[in-house]
Amino acid sequence: AQSVTQPDIHITVSEGASLELRCNYSYGATPYLFWYVQSPGQGLQLLLKYFSGDTLVQGIKGFEAEFKRSQSSFNLRKPSVHWSDAAEYFCAVGTSMNTGFQKLVFGTGTRLLVSP
Amino acid sequence: GAVVSQHPSWVICKSGTSVKIECRSLDFQATTMFWYRQFPKQSLMLMATSNEGSKATYEQGVEKDKFLINHASLTLSTLTVTSAHPEDSSFYICSATGPREGDEQFFGPGTRLTVL
Repeated sequence: AQSVTQPDIHITVSEGASLELRCNYSYGATPYLFWYVQSPGQGLQLLLKYFSGDTLVQGIKGFEAEFKRSQSSFNLRKPSVHWSDAAEYFCAVGTSMNTGFQKLVFGTGTRLLVSP
Repeated sequence: GAVVSQHPSWVICKSGTSVKIECRSLDFQATTMFWYRQFPKQSLMLMATSNEGSKATYEQGVEKDKFLINHASLTLSTLTVTSAHPEDSSFYICSATGPREGDEQFFGPGTRLTVL
């Protein structure tokens, strides 16, 4: 069965510093991978996704993620964090359903705190 | 991006009563909707998938008679928690996607259910 591990429950980063959030997945086939951000009072927002092709994926808000098959990882990065990036971040693996849509399995999330 | 709303945003009810949560896609036709449950500091767990006009598909371990899902139109799905008990207290999140949305799921802001 597919699973997603986010080993860091919470991370604190200084504003302006770089960020890397870790994500490891377990899936037998080529995975569809996603990163979402959840802010209080708002729905999960898709930051980026990987289906195939270039293993370095660019997303919104200056985020990027790199798919490393050998490490079963899909880590999220940002070169300079802004205070508004403080939120909960979820990694997810998608499996195709017979409808053609993705069934998502989420990690437990990483809470990002940004210090002044 | 497409917008998904949920109503109510929070609800408190007495044990034994039923509660209905609405999920609406505001600016697109949602042929498929998903219902998730999120416990504090835990991941989102998929409860069921519903396609417009057909019965919902429930994940293993989710009680069909406890969590009634109706997807009667292309813009509305409802989750009814029947005979709610304190252990049903949780954060319920819906997402929606459609044939023109490129597989992306758009998430509602969630509904906090507290059963006394």
